[in-house]
Amino acid sequence: AQSVTQPDIHITVSEGASLELRCNYSYGATPYLFWYVQSPGQGLQLLLKYFSGDTLVQGIKGFEAEFKRSQSSFNLRKPSVHWSDAAEYFCAVGTYNQGGKLIFGQGTELSVKP
Amino acid sequence: GAVVSQHPSWVICKSGTSVKIECRSLDFQATTMFWYRQFPKQSLMLMATSNEGSKATYEQGVEKDKFLINHASLTLSTLTVTSAHPEDSSFYICSARPPIGQGANTEAFFGQGTRLTVV
Repeated sequence: AQSVTQPDIHITVSEGASLELRCNYSYGATPYLFWYVQSPGQGLQLLLKYFSGDTLVQGIKGFEAEFKRSQSSFNLRKPSVHWSDAAEYFCAVGTYNQGGKLIFGQGTELSVKP
Repeated sequence: GAVVSQHPSWVICKSGTSVKIECRSLDFQATTMFWYRQFPKQSLMLMATSNEGSKATYEQGVEKDKFLINHASLTLSTLTVTSAHPEDSSFYICSARPPIGQGANTEAFFGQGTRLTVV
């Protein structure tokens, strides 16, 4: 069965520190992978996506993610976190032939302390 | 990127009434749209796949008689929560992706979401 696991429900980092949010997926086909961010009461904003090619993907707001097929992972990173990055982060997986249907991970809530 | 518009952004209704939520793709045609539900502090769960010109496909555990989906045109899908109850209070989000030949290698675009509160 298809699934996405975000092992960390809640992470707290200091402003200026580096960040890594973990995501592991289980998917039989070649996956399309996404990271979204959601502020309280808001919709989803796409941070970055991986379809094919270079396994290190650059996104908006200084985020990047690396696709590692051997580890079935797609971890999100940022070298220096800003207070405005505090939000909920969702990893999601889909496939080309499913036309955009996504399976989401449980989400990781990021808190940033000054 | 493509734009998906969802309306209303929030709605409060009385228990037992029905509520309709609209999802429109503004600048592309979408033969397939998706409806998700998100309870507070939880992830997004796919409810159903809306297919233009045919019946929606519901995920296991989703009551199709309670959550009526109509894909009236290539740019509009509606979700009607019938006989709403407080436990239906949630955040409902739709998404759509341009079909093959119109930027197939791209992501699904999400609406802004609708906060439904049933009192």
